[in-house]
Amino acid sequence: QQPVQSPQAVILREGEDAVINCSSSKALYSVHWYRQKHGEAPVFLMILLKGGEQKGHDKISASFNEKKQQSSLYLTASQLSYSGTYFCGTVVGSGNTPLVFGKGTRLSVIA
Amino acid sequence: DTGVSQDPRHKITKRGQNVTFRCDPISEHNRLYWYRQTLGQGPEFLTYFQNEAQLEKSRLLSDRFSAERPKGSFSTLEIQRTEQGDSAMYLCASSFDINGYTFGSGTRLTVV
Repeated sequence: QQPVQSPQAVILREGEDAVINCSSSKALYSVHWYRQKHGEAPVFLMILLKGGEQKGHDKISASFNEKKQQSSLYLTASQLSYSGTYFCGTVVGSGNTPLVFGKGTRLSVIA
Repeated sequence: DTGVSQDPRHKITKRGQNVTFRCDPISEHNRLYWYRQTLGQGPEFLTYFQNEAQLEKSRLLSDRFSAERPKGSFSTLEIQRTEQGDSAMYLCASSFDINGYTFGSGTRLTVV
């Protein structure tokens, strides 16, 4: 039931773009995205609900493809502050179950 | 609003001892979650409450783990007869219904 994230790790230079994918074998109610910096707690970025939608958050946006049970996180014109581990969390069923997190994607942005 | 508070931040205990962690969620949030995270892994679900009711507990969770949320406010997570495999970061999070989670800074447990 754990969602699968790809890639496991990515290194970017400042200004480059990246895409992080999250896929599930089960029908999803929603997908959450979080960023965790080393030694800190995960921080909520955005939530996408079934029905297929796209959301934006500054230069970070995400989409949710309900047919494929996949979500993608887009980071454009990356900044050093984007470095960290990105986790997707998925909710199945009616939405009243807790998040199940993927293993994470480690993003490193270098100057 | 001071966010989600967890206490203690660090705990070192000898194998076989009992430990208890506390979590104070955001006051407006009705849901409270406990997760465990080890190095290089995503948070692993342990249990969650809606108000004072414990609605779900991970099947992977040993009977040595118990959690309470009296009166729907703060929560405690107790681990009895700790084992070295219990060493991890224990994260508490809260949310209002199905909205995004706010995590606390965690309690790092080391069992020696």
